[in-house]
Amino acid sequence: DARVTQTPRHKVTEMGQEVTMRCQPILGHNTVFWYRQTMMQGLELLAYFRNRAPLDDSGMPKDRFSAEMPDATLATLKIQPSEPRDSAVYFCASGRYRGVGGTNEKLFFGSGTQLSVL
Amino acid sequence: DQQVKQNSPSLSVQEGRISILNCDYTNSMFDYFLWYKKYPAEGPTFLISISSIKDKNEDGRFTVFLNKSAKHLSLHIVPSQPGDSAVYFCAAIRPGNTPLVFGKGTRLSVIA
Repeated sequence: DARVTQTPRHKVTEMGQEVTMRCQPILGHNTVFWYRQTMMQGLELLAYFRNRAPLDDSGMPKDRFSAEMPDATLATLKIQPSEPRDSAVYFCASGRYRGVGGTNEKLFFGSGTQLSVL
Repeated sequence: DQQVKQNSPSLSVQEGRISILNCDYTNSMFDYFLWYKKYPAEGPTFLISISSIKDKNEDGRFTVFLNKSAKHLSLHIVPSQPGDSAVYFCAAIRPGNTPLVFGKGTRLSVIA
């Protein structure tokens, strides 16, 4: 079964430390999304890529968050420096955008990274 | 500004009865709607979807209804089973390469 793989599953760190979360999208998918789940906001979009190019990262605090796709099999989300308010579950999702006239439809999610910043 | 709203944070239903989860949206550009189901410690998984050109889509025990004039959709689960206990997210999308917009989710508890 093809699936999105996220590492680590859990991360506990101290305020001010750098955190890196990794995602391996499903082979053949050309769009990758980073979402964050919190009690207050539900699932909020942080950033997304199509064919490895960033399309929108307006959901991220730019001063501390960065998202990249070094290659088609790896997406990363970094937080530097981390703060307690960043504590949440971070999900990566991938899908296939079929081009003009199409939409990003069904997304496949990873199991998430549970981040706790103390 | 929540474009997709799930106003009920939680819902409890007895096993065998119908579960109705509601979702409202504000953006008339949305043309495709999805429901995702999420168990603890797992990522959301796709459940069912509906295009804006339809008003109903059925898949086994799950039916999604869309009322475009009211900008409202609902998910019906009949009959509800204990394994349906999860958080359900409503999502919507506009045409083009745009991301899914999710609601805050509704936690369904099906009581045996």
